[in-house]
Amino acid sequence: LAKTTQPISMDSYEGQEVNITCSHNNIATNDYITWYQQFPSQGPRFIIQGYKTKVTNEVASLFIPADRKSSTLSLPRVSLSDTAVYYCLVGDEGGGADGLTFGKGTHLIIQP
Amino acid sequence: DTAVSQTPKYLVTQMGNDKSIKCEQNLGHDTMYWYKQDSKKFLKIMFSYNNKELIINETVPNRFSPKSPDKAHLNLHINSLELGDSAVYFCASSQGGYGGPYEQYFGPGTRLTVT
Repeated sequence: LAKTTQPISMDSYEGQEVNITCSHNNIATNDYITWYQQFPSQGPRFIIQGYKTKVTNEVASLFIPADRKSSTLSLPRVSLSDTAVYYCLVGDEGGGADGLTFGKGTHLIIQP
Repeated sequence: DTAVSQTPKYLVTQMGNDKSIKCEQNLGHDTMYWYKQDSKKFLKIMFSYNNKELIINETVPNRFSPKSPDKAHLNLHINSLELGDSAVYFCASSQGGYGGPYEQYFGPGTRLTVT
């Protein structure tokens, strides 16, 4: 059972880079790491996914160390609209509900 | 085009009633899900269907019965509603697999209030 641990909340300011770290000490060999973003009154939205090393897309970067026991979501130059809850999930294909456990997420608040 | 849609968006009802929430996806995905997000914002998987077959049933009271008439639809029927059922219910879909590395697309949610 690959549980995840994230900070409950984080604050930052517009224009800053924000890094949110997720711990998953029991991650299995076949597990992927996926991050979602949720705005109030909306469903979660996929941000990024990775297995190892670094993944980058137009929205964020995901850093995964060699032991894969943690991962860091990096949001470059955040704006007020990045205020949301961010969820880290760990799971593999066919892994069942374990990989669908969103937890409480990290509430990121961006200030002007 | 709405990828994953749910109806209704809001549902207010009294204890003991039976209600249904409908979900449709036009993405051609094989897998659909129902999640419950309670007042503390904890998002928890309830059910998962793959090609109309129930795959995941996460300790949900049997008052909740999902039904998948076809791959594009996954409806949630709730019998004998209780106060504790008040929450936002999200439907989602993904291309394949379940519990794994497949991007899920979520609907806008249905806010259920039981009085």
